[in-house]
Amino acid sequence: EVQLVESGGALIQPGGSLRLSCAASGFIFRNYYMHWVRQAPGKGPVWVSDINGDGSGTNYADSVKGRFTISRDNAKNTLYLQMNGLRAEDSAVYHCARGRYAYAVDSWGQGALVTVSS
Amino acid sequence: QSALTQPPSVSGSPGQSVTISCTGTSSDVGYYNRVSWYQQSPGTAPKLMIFEVNNRPSGVPDRFSGSKSGNTASLTISGLQAEDEADYYCSSHTTSGTYVFGTGAKVTVL
Repeated sequence: EVQLVESGGALIQPGGSLRLSCAASGFIFRNYYMHWVRQAPGKGPVWVSDINGDGSGTNYADSVKGRFTISRDNAKNTLYLQMNGLRAEDSAVYHCARGRYAYAVDSWGQGALVTVSS
Repeated sequence: QSALTQPPSVSGSPGQSVTISCTGTSSDVGYYNRVSWYQQSPGTAPKLMIFEVNNRPSGVPDRFSGSKSGNTASLTISGLQAEDEADYYCSSHTTSGTYVFGTGAKVTVL
């Protein structure tokens, strides 16, 4: 069974930094693209970033480019999101998700809550 | 990147068909056949229902179908059931290598 478990969410002040982790199990982690998708309470999902299987290729939404960095450790089956320069509008539940079927996501974690507030 | 446009709500009686539209641009929906659809019930993570415009993952009922014309994709639910009541989001890969989700449509079974 595919399992994705996020951690690292917190209440953080504007301008601060935070690193989210996502522990993956139940599949061959290195074979899959992985994504971060965020969802503010009562709002729809917003794609944040993705990374290919060996970590050599990444993409970012314009809203986080230059502030967020996605990475992975295939030896630890773990996905990361380093978030710097956090803003109030970054507040959301951050889900890690597995890419599948080319350009879709088939498994999601339950998410880590990030709240940016003074 | 602006969100894809969906109607806020769609409703139908059990057994009827409903269609949800998803309008983007020539840089996303209109460029590739890389449109997917997700169903989300309250308090749960989204569930993939359709990928690459009109393909169903294993386990998704065949009353869910997708199509695309120009810059607009559509999800049709045939034979609407009470359990289909949820929020539905479309998503598309873009020419920039990013993804964009839709604004979401709430399906209500009357």
